Amino acid sequence: AQRVTQPEKLLSVFKGAPVELKCNYSYSGSPELFWYVQYSRQRLQLLLRHISRESIKGFTADLNKGETSFHLKKPFAQEEDSAMYYCALSGPPTSESASKIIFGSGTRLSIRP
Amino acid sequence: GAVVSQHPSRVICKSGTSVKIECRSLDFQATTMFWYRQFPKQSLMLMATSNEGSKATYEQGVEKDKFLINHASLTLSTLTVTSAHPEDSSFYICSALTGGADTEAFFGQGTRLTVV
Repeated sequence: AQRVTQPEKLLSVFKGAPVELKCNYSYSGSPELFWYVQYSRQRLQLLLRHISRESIKGFTADLNKGETSFHLKKPFAQEEDSAMYYCALSGPPTSESASKIIFGSGTRLSIRP
Repeated sequence: GAVVSQHPSRVICKSGTSVKIECRSLDFQATTMFWYRQFPKQSLMLMATSNEGSKATYEQGVEKDKFLINHASLTLSTLTVTSAHPEDSSFYICSALTGGADTEAFFGQGTRLTVV
């Protein structure tokens, strides 16, 4: 079954501390993994996707197929990082299920000054 | 980035009435749109995939006669909650897929439905 698991509902860290938001997935095949972010009173938006291998706003995420994980990391948290973060997956880009995005339950990241 | 607009952002209706929510891609054409439902403090639950010019594909457990989806054009999909009940009260979010090699989903701002 396709599933995305985010074990932490809330993560609170001090400004300047490292951040790691955990995400594990279950998928029979090679999915595409994403992190979406929702800032206060704003709509959901894409933060990064694993195939891009980019660092967005200082965040990176490495796909670990062995551990079926896609944890989101940032070495030094900033107050503006406070938001709701959702890990998500879809089928491989060329598959019929490529467009169907399954979301995790989300983790609220709170950065303390 | 591309813009997806949902309307209305908030609606209150009486039990038994129907409510229509619109999802528009403002600056791109979207052959595929999605409708999600989000319960308080829970994740987005995919309800259905809306395909332009064809019937929507509903997820298991979602009543297609209850949640009518129409994707009549490449820029508009509508979700109609028919004979609404208080348990239909929720936050409904649509997203639209851009085409091309780097397809990406863009989300509407959501619609808060309250059935009284």
